[in-house]
Amino acid sequence: QQPVQSPQAVILREGEDAVINCSSSKALYSVHWYRQKHGEAPIFLMILLKGGEQKGHDKISASFNEKKQQSSLYLTASQLSYSGTYFCGTAGGSQGNLIFGKGTKLSVKP
Amino acid sequence: SAVISQKPSRDICQRGTSLTIQCQVDSQVTMMFWYRQQPGQSLTLIATANQGSEATYESGFVIDKFPISRPNLTFSTLTVSNMSPEDSSIYLCSASSATNEKLFFGSGTQLSVL
Repeated sequence: QQPVQSPQAVILREGEDAVINCSSSKALYSVHWYRQKHGEAPIFLMILLKGGEQKGHDKISASFNEKKQQSSLYLTASQLSYSGTYFCGTAGGSQGNLIFGKGTKLSVKP
Repeated sequence: SAVISQKPSRDICQRGTSLTIQCQVDSQVTMMFWYRQQPGQSLTLIATANQGSEATYESGFVIDKFPISRPNLTFSTLTVSNMSPEDSSIYLCSASSATNEKLFFGSGTQLSVL
C-alpha cells in the first residue's frame, strides 16, 4: 500500500524550515527518505528502523513513530541545494522492497 | 557505497518490439529491484530480482511482460516485451547490500515507444 506524503509541494526562502510527513495505513518495518533532483536518480538521505527512532545529519533529520505508522522529515535552515522532490519509501517487512509515496516537491528560493 | 551502471540510458522503440535493460553493480549486492517512474511521478516497484530464482513481481506486473534475470550478485536485466506507448517511462535499477539497507539507484533508462 502506497504511503501518503504531505504536503505535495512547498516553496521556501533560504533559511526557512520545512516538515514533510509520510504516513501508512499498514504496520511499517522501516521508513526510508530519498531526494531526487530533476533528471537525476534518487539519492538516499536516511533510514529509520525502530519505532521512535530519530536520525539526522547536517540540518536534515527525521523521526519514525511506529505506533502511528508515520514518519516526518525535518529540513532546518534550508539551502538552495535542498530543492528537489523528496520521497519516503516504506517496507512492510524485512525483505526491503520499498513502496514509495508520491513525493513532495520542495523549492528553495534565494 | 555501490555504483550502478545502467544501459541503455535512453532508447526509442517501435510498438511490438522488446528492449532489454542491463544493470551492473560494482560490488556484490544482496537485493536488486526494478522501478518505473513516469516524469514527475513516484517510483513504482516492478519486481525484486532474486539471484538464482524467479523474480518476485508486484501487483500489476507479470513475468511475460517484464521478464527479469539475475544470474549473479552484481548483474540483472529487465526486458520490456511487446512494447506499447503506455510502456514509455523511465526504468530504474536499484540495489542494496542487505535487506533494509539504503538503496542505490542507477541513472535510469528513458524509454519512448512509438
